[in-house]
Amino acid sequence: AQKVTQAQTEISVVEKEDVTLDCVYETRDTTYYLFWYKQPPSGELVFLIRRNSFDEQNEISGRYSWNFQKSTSSFNFTITASQVVDSAVYFCALCGGGSNYKLTFGKGTLLTVNP
Amino acid sequence: NAGVTQTPKFQVLKTGQSMTLQCAQDMNHNSMYWYRQDPGMGLRLIYYSASEGTTDKGEVPNGYNVSRLNKREFSLRLESAAPSQTSVYFCASSATQGLWQPQHFGDGTRLSIL
Repeated sequence: AQKVTQAQTEISVVEKEDVTLDCVYETRDTTYYLFWYKQPPSGELVFLIRRNSFDEQNEISGRYSWNFQKSTSSFNFTITASQVVDSAVYFCALCGGGSNYKLTFGKGTLLTVNP
Repeated sequence: NAGVTQTPKFQVLKTGQSMTLQCAQDMNHNSMYWYRQDPGMGLRLIYYSASEGTTDKGEVPNGYNVSRLNKREFSLRLESAAPSQTSVYFCASSATQGLWQPQHFGDGTRLSIL
């Protein structure tokens, strides 16, 4: 069975602070994919990033960066210089499987960025 | 700019009533998905359609049926609604097959069953 744990249920920061959202996963598969999605207050989910299990390079996109570490089964997401518009629920997800892929979402982290 | 469109956005049903949630995408995507989102539970996959003419069960398919009407449309039906099906339902699509593909989501349907 696979599992995604986002231990931080809610995080509150002040604008311009850096914030890291944690994601820890469990899987027995050697091939798997990790995702982050953003759900702003408007409700729709927005795809942010996908990583496969063979690519441990960290990625940076503007103020967003992702740290993938297989040794600790973590795929953490950092927002640098947070802004009010970053306020949202963020979901980490895992897709793994051999002949039968399964997609599992974490329970999400509510990030509130206060002005 | 529509992307994935879900109708209705809100619905209240009585226990035992039936209902079809509609989903259409205009991105020429091959695969489509239905999820439910419950408080503190994240998203759970109900059904998906890898391509036109195929459907497969996800994690929580009981109590639901789906129809991939054509490449654009994927509907979700509740035959006899139960209070446990009160949830926010999301439809999504991806350009190519595979649960590992990035997905584009609709705005959701808030369904309450009394």
